[in-house]
Amino acid sequence: SAVISQKPSRDICQRGTSLTIQCQVDSQVTMMFWYRQQPGQSLTLIATANQGSEATYESGFVIDKFPISRPNLTFSTLTVSNMSPEDSSIYLCSVVHSMNTEAFFGQGTRLTVV
Amino acid sequence: AQSVTQLDSHVSVSEGTPVLLRCNYSSSYSPSLFWYVQHPNKGLQLLLKYTSAATLVKGINGFEAEFKKSETSFHLTKPSAHMSDAAEYFCVVIASGGSYIPTFGRGTSLIVHP
Repeated sequence: SAVISQKPSRDICQRGTSLTIQCQVDSQVTMMFWYRQQPGQSLTLIATANQGSEATYESGFVIDKFPISRPNLTFSTLTVSNMSPEDSSIYLCSVVHSMNTEAFFGQGTRLTVV
Repeated sequence: AQSVTQLDSHVSVSEGTPVLLRCNYSSSYSPSLFWYVQHPNKGLQLLLKYTSAATLVKGINGFEAEFKKSETSFHLTKPSAHMSDAAEYFCVVIASGGSYIPTFGRGTSLIVHP
């Protein structure tokens, strides 16, 4: 199994500012992903966080808005840049163990932009 | 490529009656399938998972699901609904040998009437 610590759990931010969300896993994992869950919606994949290289972004998400770092196999950050109220969502970190193809999720970061 | 279709956006049942939440998937590789539950303002909780072992999978809180390859389905059932089961349910597929990205269905809101 994997235990994911995601920080902060929630935040209220002013528009135009940036927030960095941290994801720490208690074991080395190959696959790490970032998701967004807008109010009343399902989870949408933002990007795959690649260790030591640039993240792979899904359509509709760009690096300038959602820069991602992954310096090692247990840690990643997602920054939400130049925030607007439309960025108010829950952001979740996820990891997958390729050996047993099981997914684990952080508790999420509930972001409100005012 | 992989995708998940949750056939119902809302399911309404009376307490004590059976629950059926439907999920169909498509995957180019052998799939691992999961059901997660999300209570209001809470994180994702794993209900059960199928990862190529027994096709009938038992989960927590009396839920179970059956993997039917011929029908590409993974429906979630419970014999008797409880008020505390009211929540959002997500079906998730991960393709072994593919990108290992967890793909979410749109979610089904389970409403339980007294």
